Formats: sequence, C-alpha cells, structure tokens
Amino acid sequence: DARVTQTPRHKVTEMGQEVTMRCQPILGHNTVFWYRQTMMQGLELLAYFRNRAPLDDSGMPKDRFSAEMPDATLATLKIQPSEPRDSAVYFCASGLVLGSPLHFGNGTRLTVT
Amino acid sequence: DQQVKQNSPSLSVQEGRISILNCDYTNSMFDYFLWYKKYPAEGPTFLISISSIKDKNEDGRFTVFLNKSAKHLSLHIVPSQPGDSAVYFCAASAPYGGSQGNLIFGKGTKLSVKP
Repeated sequence: DARVTQTPRHKVTEMGQEVTMRCQPILGHNTVFWYRQTMMQGLELLAYFRNRAPLDDSGMPKDRFSAEMPDATLATLKIQPSEPRDSAVYFCASGLVLGSPLHFGNGTRLTVT
Repeated sequence: DQQVKQNSPSLSVQEGRISILNCDYTNSMFDYFLWYKKYPAEGPTFLISISSIKDKNEDGRFTVFLNKSAKHLSLHIVPSQPGDSAVYFCAASAPYGGSQGNLIFGKGTKLSVKP
C-alpha cells in the first residue's frame, strides 16, 4: 500500500534554529502539498507543487519559510529562523492531477521552544 | 475569513445511531467537496467526495449530501461504530486550482461514538 513518508515525525528545537522537514510523495503522483495543522486554524495550505513547479505558496510566511522539490521523490519545507508560533503539525500530501484523492503523510510535529 | 466552516467542534453519538456532520462554505466557486477522517498521530485519510453537479454520493455507511443553494454539505454515517471515532474534516476545491488544488479545509469536528 503506497504511502506518503514524512521525516522526522517529531522535532523539538530552540527559537532561531533552522528546521527542515522532508516528504517523499507517492511514486507517480505529480502534485505535492504542504499543510499546517494548529488548534486555532485547523488545516492551512502552505504551498502546492505540480510537476515539481511551485504553483501556490501564498499561505507561507515568505521571510522564513521555503518549500522546494529538488526531485520528484523529495519535497522539503524549511523554516529559518524558527519561532515558537511555528509549533504545529506539518503535513505533506500528494495526489494525481485529475480527480483522485490526496494522500497525506503522518505529519511532522514541530515544537519550537 | 473562513471559507469552509464546521461549526460543531465535537459530536457524541451512540453506537448504531446516525452521525450527522455538517459543513458550510462561502465561496460559490467551489465545485468539489471532500470529507477526510483523521485519527490521532496520523494524517487525514480521504473518506468520500462529491462534485457540485450532484446532490448526493453514497459509499457504504457513508453518504454526503450537498445543498448548493444553502452552501451546505453534510456527512451521514449510519450505523455509527466506535471505530468511526475520529476528527472529520470537510474540504472544498475551486476549479482554478485544478483537481484538488488549493483544497480549503474546515477546522474539523471530533466525533465520539460510544458503545
């Protein structure tokens, strides 16, 4: 059963440190999404790629967040410098363009102290 | 400004009875709606979807109803089972984003099914 793999599952870091979260989408999927889940906002879309090209990153704080897809098997979400308000669960999801459901990874729980 | 709203943070139902989860949206451009189910420490899992050209879609115990004039959709689970206890997210997509591009999620409703 194909899955989206996210690493690490948990990350605790101090304010000001760089954080990198990784995602391996399902082989053959050509869309990749990054979402953030917080108690207050629910699931927020941060960035969206199609065929490795960024299509929408308007949900991301540009000054500290960056999202890339170096190749079709890896998506990264980087925060530099991290802040306590970035503490949340970050989900990666992948899908096919035409009408199939998104498949989510199990998330990276980030705690910034 | 929330475009997808789930106004009930939680719902408790007795096993065997019907669970009804509700969702409202504000953007009339949304044309595709989905429900996801999420267990603790796991990612959301797709449950069922409906296109705006339909008003009902059924899959086993799960049925989604869409009322476009009211900008409202609901998920019915019957009969409810303890394993259905989870957080349910409603999501919507607009055509400019492609299939499931720019999926907008509600904040979720936590369903508890009691034996």
